Amino acid sequence: ETAVFQTPNYHVTQVGNEVSFNCKQTLGHDTMYWYKQDSKKLLKIMFSYNNKQLIVNETVPRRFSPQSSDKAHLNLRIKSVEPEDSAVYLCASSSLRDRYEQYFGPGTRLTVL
Amino acid sequence: GQQVQQSPASLVLQEGENAELQCNFSTSLNSMQWFYQRPGGSLVSLFYNPSGTKHSGRLTSTTVIKERRSSLHISSSQTTDSGTYLCALEPAYNTNTGKLTFGDGTVLTVKP
Repeated sequence: ETAVFQTPNYHVTQVGNEVSFNCKQTLGHDTMYWYKQDSKKLLKIMFSYNNKQLIVNETVPRRFSPQSSDKAHLNLRIKSVEPEDSAVYLCASSSLRDRYEQYFGPGTRLTVL
Repeated sequence: GQQVQQSPASLVLQEGENAELQCNFSTSLNSMQWFYQRPGGSLVSLFYNPSGTKHSGRLTSTTVIKERRSSLHISSSQTTDSGTYLCALEPAYNTNTGKLTFGDGTVLTVKP
């Protein structure tokens, strides 16, 4: 099956803890993204990687750091979560070959208590 | 101001009625996509349509670059069409990053 996969589906944690989310795509794409969708359903880009190189880094708190081992994987680490980090984190991928049409994973819902 | 504006913010239809969702943008673009999101669900790409008209079943997307607008038409709506419809574009000044800017979405409710 070719798609974008994310783990975990849900995560509940306490303020100050570290969390890590995984994303893998089997579409053969060379560009991957992390988006944040808040409680009002507003979607905003956080990071973008092309062939393991960071190409987009929006203004996000420094506790967020993306990690890419190869062009099929892009993880997101949050060093010390805050209550405002509660959101759905969506991973997507695309490629120049497909004119950057983006395909999304199912999302990881983070709840910070 | 906001680069991508969607209207209406919400829409309630009776099953069988048609819907017209609008997306207006204030910048020239490299790409335009329409997505569908069910509550608690993932984003499903409906159309990649940076210009012109595309059809898929009961859905039609039309993007008119000169008028800086894109529309999504749903004909003969069904209750299963209920959810949030999002348009997103990559501004032309983003040289090959694929970075999408999203509208706020239209929440569609189709009643039986």
